[in-house]
Parts: sequence; C-alpha cells; structure tokens
Amino acid sequence: SQQGEEDPQALSIQEGENATMNCSYKTSINNLQWYRQNSGRGLVHLILIRSNEREKHSGRLRVTLDTSKKSSSLLITASRAADTASYFCATDDSGGSNYKLTFGKGTLLTVNP
Amino acid sequence: DTAVSQTPKYLVTQMGNDKSIKCEQNLGHDTMYWYKQDSKKFLKIMFSYNNKELIINETVPNRFSPKSPDKAHLNLHINSLELGDSAVYFCASSQHSGYTFGSGTRLTVV
Repeated sequence: SQQGEEDPQALSIQEGENATMNCSYKTSINNLQWYRQNSGRGLVHLILIRSNEREKHSGRLRVTLDTSKKSSSLLITASRAADTASYFCATDDSGGSNYKLTFGKGTLLTVNP
Repeated sequence: DTAVSQTPKYLVTQMGNDKSIKCEQNLGHDTMYWYKQDSKKFLKIMFSYNNKELIINETVPNRFSPKSPDKAHLNLHINSLELGDSAVYFCASSQHSGYTFGSGTRLTVV
C-alpha cells in the first residue's frame, strides 16, 4: 500500500517565489527522504531527515518533519526555472535497514521564468 | 564516473518475449534495488538485495527474476512479457542513507 502522499499534485509558480510541498505518511518511520526527478530522468536524492529530527536545511531547501502528524514539508526558496521537476517524498519504514523506500505520488513543480 | 548505470535505456519488444535489463554500480554500496515507475509516475519497489542476497521481493510475479552475480551488479530478467509490464524500471543502490538511482530503462511491450 502507498505510504507517502504528496500535496499538491501540481504546483506552478514564478521564478523567485518559494515553493512548498507537503507529504503525509501512515506508519512509523526511521527516516524520510525527498527526491527530485527531472522529466525522463532518474531520481536525485535531495535530503534525508531522521525521525528524531524536526528540521533540516540544505542550500535553498528546508525540510520539516512532524512525526506526531506523520507529515513532512519541503520548502524551496527563491525558486529557479531549473527547479522544474517532480518531487517525491519517500519513507524508510524498514526499521532503519534502508532495504525499502516507499514513495508517494509526487508533486510536479513548474517554475515559470 | 561513479554512478549507477543500467542498460538498455529503451527497450521495445513484443508480448511473450523474454528480456533482460542490466545494472551496475561502482559506488561500493552493499544494497541494490529494482523499482518500477508506472505511467502515473508512481514508484514501487520490486526487489532489494544486500550483498547479493535477496532481502525484499514485493509480490512481484514469478516472471520477474533478479540475479546478483556480485554486489556491484543486479540484473533483471523478465519472461513472457505482458502489456502491463510497460513502465520505466529504475535500478538503485544505497549505503546507510540516500539512494543513488540509475537513469531508468523505459520498457514498452507491444
């Protein structure tokens, strides 16, 4: 069964604006990860946040995790046209062994120049 | 270049045929995976291997048989291909944290 659910399914913004994507999940997790997929390409790992962390930053990316609400958000600040891609959250619910990631359906982000 | 490389990138074949997709990683990772991405972009794990041993087989039909000759390789063989097998198949590897994905194999069964 599907674990992560991203919201919104699609998001269109202007360059320079911030983009926020949300992810909800159902079971206990060890960590939650965000990935980017450009059209027709593979997935690129963006950031990992562990279940005992609440917030993490990487460049223009900010990820939050609320385990009580079983939700996470990805904020991209000062967006660029090159940020146009699909963004997926994925949960490691394999007890930390990382043998299985369960992906959400993704958010398609379009950044208009 | 350090990477996860999979071949072929595109594969068009007729129903009933048998085909293989190869995957190699030179990252020294212990764990490798096959994921299937359907037409709605939903990614679902198929198999995971750790040090050549099968760890997860996520209710994949027996027509799909992974083979890991060593921990740097995880190949996927598919027998008697069906229309519903059309998808993008991603190989990936990991070591402790985030995954590194290959660029995918787009399989089209006609």
